[in-house]
Amino acid sequence: DADVTQTPRNRITKTGKRIMLECSQTKGHDRMYWYRQDPGLGLRLIYYSFDVKDINKGEISDGYSVSRQAQAKFSLSLESAIPNQTALYFCATSLGTDNSPLHFGNGTRLTVT
Amino acid sequence: AQKITQTQPGMFVQEKEAVTLDCTYDTSDPSYGLFWYKQPSSGEMIFLIYQGSYDQQNATEGRYSLNFQKARKSANLVISASQLGDSAMYFCAMREGAGANSKLTFGKGITLSVRP
Repeated sequence: DADVTQTPRNRITKTGKRIMLECSQTKGHDRMYWYRQDPGLGLRLIYYSFDVKDINKGEISDGYSVSRQAQAKFSLSLESAIPNQTALYFCATSLGTDNSPLHFGNGTRLTVT
Repeated sequence: AQKITQTQPGMFVQEKEAVTLDCTYDTSDPSYGLFWYKQPSSGEMIFLIYQGSYDQQNATEGRYSLNFQKARKSANLVISASQLGDSAMYFCAMREGAGANSKLTFGKGITLSVRP
């Protein structure tokens, strides 16, 4: 079983719909992140959380919100999806030290039509 | 200015040869860390190697090594004895700041193709 699990793996939705992407982890890490990947742009940070009561905006948080329901769960919501939010979304976790690498889930491919 | 620059559009290497993937970075923070990740066509992100800004020696992990030139602000990934399974996209990333101010920024990636 994957240590960082993202659901769903693929999702097609329509403009204006609300959608939630879920992430759960069994690694016991405190830090969790949401990134999006677009071709030619690399990965960009949407939101991150260093513990259950801590939520921080990344570089592209507009149009997104997050919820850290528990240490192991971090969900990303698109309140009203738009086509330019079509991307590959990654959840990641890390230990609470700055030299710790990120451990990624397998990604959620989201298409907004 | 970009924090992480990966300018090679695509790289090709013959199987069993070595290849260097370039990465330059920009930071004024004296404490930072550099990471390399591999993304095969299946899409998952795989951590390869880490170099801390205060590390005296270049990092190595099996066939991967990091050519860290601090004065030039470069952190090139060297893959020795390339294998067909090394064909993937490779991302360089930098962590700046500490604790709650710590942020990881990724480059745009380099595609590596290994020829048999």
